[in-house]
Parts: sequence; structure tokens; C-alpha cells
Amino acid sequence: GENVGLHLPTLSVQEGDNSIINCAYSNSASDYFIWYKQESGKGPQFIIDIRSNMDKRQGQRVTVLLNKTVKHLSLQIAATQPGDSAVYFCAEAVSGTYKYIFGTGTRLKVLA
Amino acid sequence: GAVVSQHPSRVICKSGTSVKIECRSLDFQATTMFWYRQFPKQSLMLMATSNEGSKATYEQGVEKDKFLINHASLTLSTLTVTSAHPEDSSFYICSAREPGGNTEAFFGQGTRLTVV
Repeated sequence: GENVGLHLPTLSVQEGDNSIINCAYSNSASDYFIWYKQESGKGPQFIIDIRSNMDKRQGQRVTVLLNKTVKHLSLQIAATQPGDSAVYFCAEAVSGTYKYIFGTGTRLKVLA
Repeated sequence: GAVVSQHPSRVICKSGTSVKIECRSLDFQATTMFWYRQFPKQSLMLMATSNEGSKATYEQGVEKDKFLINHASLTLSTLTVTSAHPEDSSFYICSAREPGGNTEAFFGQGTRLTVV
């Protein structure tokens, strides 16, 4: 079901370093996964997606890895910048349901 | 990408009154829209799926008489929080997807509701 945590885990990284944000998804039937970035007071912004027939997908400075065996998703951000500071959510969906279930979220803090 | 617009972005209302939030898909037709609720430092919780021309589908634990959803056209869904109370204060976010297959969902900018 939906993951609702009392506290967002925080990842602090130095500017210029790579960031890795992890997510465990809940439904083994999910076959579409998305990473969103949410800045304070704003709605989620699409970053990258991946379908279950893939285990890796790359975008500009971002890479998503999918491990269906352990139901794990990760987002890698290369050369992290101050503008990357935000909360990152993974979301999972089952084809045809149009329903997204969001993970707990991770706050990324980029240190200058 | 497609644009989803939410209005208002912020609203303060008195306890006991009702508040309507609008969600519009600006450049595509959305037969299905979704309403989420987000408490501070928490994830998005799906409240309901809004279906154009038919009744909304509510998630378990969400009161349909409390959160009225209307999806009268292919570009507009509304969420009305009826008889609002302070515990209804939250960030409400809508999303919409373009028809066909698994595609990314586009989110509105959210509405911060404060009930005093």
C-alpha cells in the first residue's frame, strides 16, 4: 500500500559528488516506475522513468536502476548541484491501472 | 511536457466552510485525473481517481462525502473539501495522464489548504 513515513530520510552530499537515492517498491506486479523531484511548496516534477523490461535507463545526469528480484529502484545523480536539493520520490504503477503509488521519499541536501 | 494547472495555490478558510480546488489539463484531454494529499515531510497519498463522466473511485479510508470530486469535462476535475476542519489542512495535489499506455503523470503545482 501507500508508504507514509513520519520523517523523511535525508541524504547529504557534497556539491560535485554523485548521489544515489534508493527506493523499495511494494507491488511485485508493478511494471512501470518513475522518479519525481519535489521542491518545497510545489508539485512533483518528472525526472526519469523505467519499464520492467529494462534494468537501467539513463538521462541527462541521471540514471535509474531497477532490480525486480528484490523490488528495488535507485536514482543516481551525477555531479550533484545545489539545484538538485529537493525531496525525491519513487512511484510504481501497474499497466492499465493509471494509479501511482508513491514511496516514502528522500530529502537530498547538497552541501557547498 | 503536458501542463496541469491547479487553482488556487493557497487557500485559507474557516472551520465548517467548504473549499473547491480545480485541476485542469491545459494541452491534453484527461479522462482520468488523480487527487493526492500530502502532509508535511510525508509522501503523497492517493485519495481518489477522478473519472470523466462517472463517479470517482476513492481509496480506502477516504470519505467520499467529505471530499467531493467532480470530473465534468475532459480537462477539468474539482475537489471540494466539505465542512472543512483544521485536520483537513494539508497540501492537495492533482495529476493527470495522457490517454494510452503507461506514460508519465503530470502534476499540478499543488494547493496549500489551511483551515482555521
